[in-house]
Amino acid sequence: GAGVSQTPSNKVTEKGKYVELRCDPISGHTALYWYRQSLGQGPEFLIYFQGTGAADDSGLPNDRFFAVRPEGSVSTLKIQRTERGDSAVYLCASSLGLSFSYNEQFFGPGTRLTVL
Amino acid sequence: AQRVTQPEKLLSVFKGAPVELKCNYSYSGSPELFWYVQYSRQRLQLLLRHISRESIKGFTADLNKGETSFHLKKPFAQEEDSAMYYCAIRGTGAGSYQLTFGKGTKLSVIP
Repeated sequence: GAGVSQTPSNKVTEKGKYVELRCDPISGHTALYWYRQSLGQGPEFLIYFQGTGAADDSGLPNDRFFAVRPEGSVSTLKIQRTERGDSAVYLCASSLGLSFSYNEQFFGPGTRLTVL
Repeated sequence: AQRVTQPEKLLSVFKGAPVELKCNYSYSGSPELFWYVQYSRQRLQLLLRHISRESIKGFTADLNKGETSFHLKKPFAQEEDSAMYYCAIRGTGAGSYQLTFGKGTKLSVIP
């Protein structure tokens, strides 16, 4: 695959349900980011992985949100007890490993989550 | 805290007219500034970054530290420039890696 891929592209769920969103980064990219983009807003940072570990999860809005990257490649964003306010486009991005200079973040197409 | 402000939600210009998309930021330090673009039905992609000081698709942006601005400019707009444009900032201190985005400006180039 040439770029970052995310599945599903669309997810409709009911309030209170559990959802998982998947991200496949570009091969060889050790850094992975999740962002959330609500309607009319720019992307907002959620969590950053360097390898398998979450180096910074300060953007996660509350403890209903959790993300993993067990093998340092694919990542899953997990949302428990979904609320209508969780409806947004969830973006994943990946880049080469952390360094002082900026490594371009390449974005996936996003998963549009709708909570009814 | 770092913040990015894009004052215009929508900007409409005629083809061939000059374009300026405004971006102001707040950051205590020396940040890195970027412009990202999202064309219709495409993913978000990097357009340019201030460090590169390059022109991409005819667009340029100059970092003005005195005015804390990073406006995006193009002398002659083309129809294919119609898209959402996001200004973004990244801190340069230790642990700085995530991007902080503005709310975006939708550019519409009228034929």
